[in-house]
Amino acid sequence: DAGITQSPRHKVTETGTPVTLRCHQTENHRYMYWYRQDPGHGLRLIHYSYGVKDTDKGEVSDGYSVSRSKTEDFLLTLESATSSQTSVYFCAISEISGSVYEQYFGPGTRLTVT
Amino acid sequence: GDSVTQMEGPVTLSEEAFLTINCTYTATGYPSLFWYVQYPGEGLQLLLKATKADDKGSNKGFEATYRKETTSFHLEKGSVQVSDSAVYFCGTSGGSNYKLTFGKGTLLTVNP
Repeated sequence: DAGITQSPRHKVTETGTPVTLRCHQTENHRYMYWYRQDPGHGLRLIHYSYGVKDTDKGEVSDGYSVSRSKTEDFLLTLESATSSQTSVYFCAISEISGSVYEQYFGPGTRLTVT
Repeated sequence: GDSVTQMEGPVTLSEEAFLTINCTYTATGYPSLFWYVQYPGEGLQLLLKATKADDKGSNKGFEATYRKETTSFHLEKGSVQVSDSAVYFCGTSGGSNYKLTFGKGTLLTVNP
């Protein structure tokens, strides 16, 4: 258990409203990630962080922003939610094992934008 | 960029049948390869990994061998159980080491 929690676990929101999802880890991991999972697309990286205040874009970053003001928390914000952002969002951390970074995932947040 | 192609599902098997889920990858450098499993309503769990050519990863009866010559990492299990029903994702670290690229996932259903 990598000690990853996500909140909220479920959320329904309206188009145009801002939404923030939180990922919290308890084991001081440097790397954190946000993915979205959609049928037919698998898992796609939105943004990732390699330290406090250090973030970078993934392959589907448009419409999303992130912040990491402390090691344990990585926030994903949808500034103005759209129906295309209805998805299941997963947070992950990387933990090095030997010379390999293994990723461990949180339980997910199901977001519905109506 | 890096990419992973895995066989499309769904795959439906009877209990005790042999399982193969094909996975091929395109990556720069010396990638590590992974299989993750996702049970209904849960996040992904690391199932097995291999870090260099000819390595075999194994866990819970599942195996996969890193084949550099065919850029493949096929998942196999000799005798599946109902409890193996899940979505399986193949992934590669590509050239970055700390970022993963995943395939689209393969849904496996095992019937009693």
